Amino acid sequence: GQSLEQPSEVTAVEGAIVQINCTYQTSGFYGLSWYQQHDGGAPTFLSYNALDGLEETGRFSSFLSRSDSYGYLLLQELQMKDSASYFCAVRDNTGTASKLTFGTGTRLQVTL
Amino acid sequence: NAGVTQTPKFRVLKTGQSMTLLCAQDMNHEYMYWYRQDPGMGLRLIHYSVGEGTTAKGEVPDGYNVSRLKKQNFLLGLESAAPSQTSVYFCASGDREYEQYFGPGTRLTVT
Repeated sequence: GQSLEQPSEVTAVEGAIVQINCTYQTSGFYGLSWYQQHDGGAPTFLSYNALDGLEETGRFSSFLSRSDSYGYLLLQELQMKDSASYFCAVRDNTGTASKLTFGTGTRLQVTL
Repeated sequence: NAGVTQTPKFRVLKTGQSMTLLCAQDMNHEYMYWYRQDPGMGLRLIHYSVGEGTTAKGEVPDGYNVSRLKKQNFLLGLESAAPSQTSVYFCASGDREYEQYFGPGTRLTVT
């Protein structure tokens, strides 16, 4: 089966940089996605890494190391609106390749 | 475009009652998914569909059934609700498995 681990909570100051780590165990790994979810809202897609390395999208970047079964989401120039939960999700081929398995989420609190 | 919509937004059921949650998407996506989200447990996949007329079981399918008779709609049924099915239910759709678009959710309470 699959398993993902990410910290349950992270606190950071406005304007700072924060890194949210995700380690995974799965067979037939295809890639790692990241989603953001504000309290009471729906998850929204942030990024996807299929290959090793860093993908940058504005203030957000995501990194993957397939050999280490590890990835992270990097948020720069933190803003109060970044306070939310962040989920990593593995895309793998157990059964079919048409689904994701989500981690339990990291709650980010941005403070002044 | 409305994106992904879910009906109803809230519902309270008594144990043993049945109901159907409706998900509709107007983006012509092939893949559709039903998840449940419980505190501290993230999103867990209930059932999914890779195209019109197809369905498959996810991680937690017991107690639920689904149908995808039309490409734009994905229905989730609870035949006999149990308190353990109290949760927030999210529908999602997409053309790429890794990039899913979520609906606003249905908050279901079973008493």
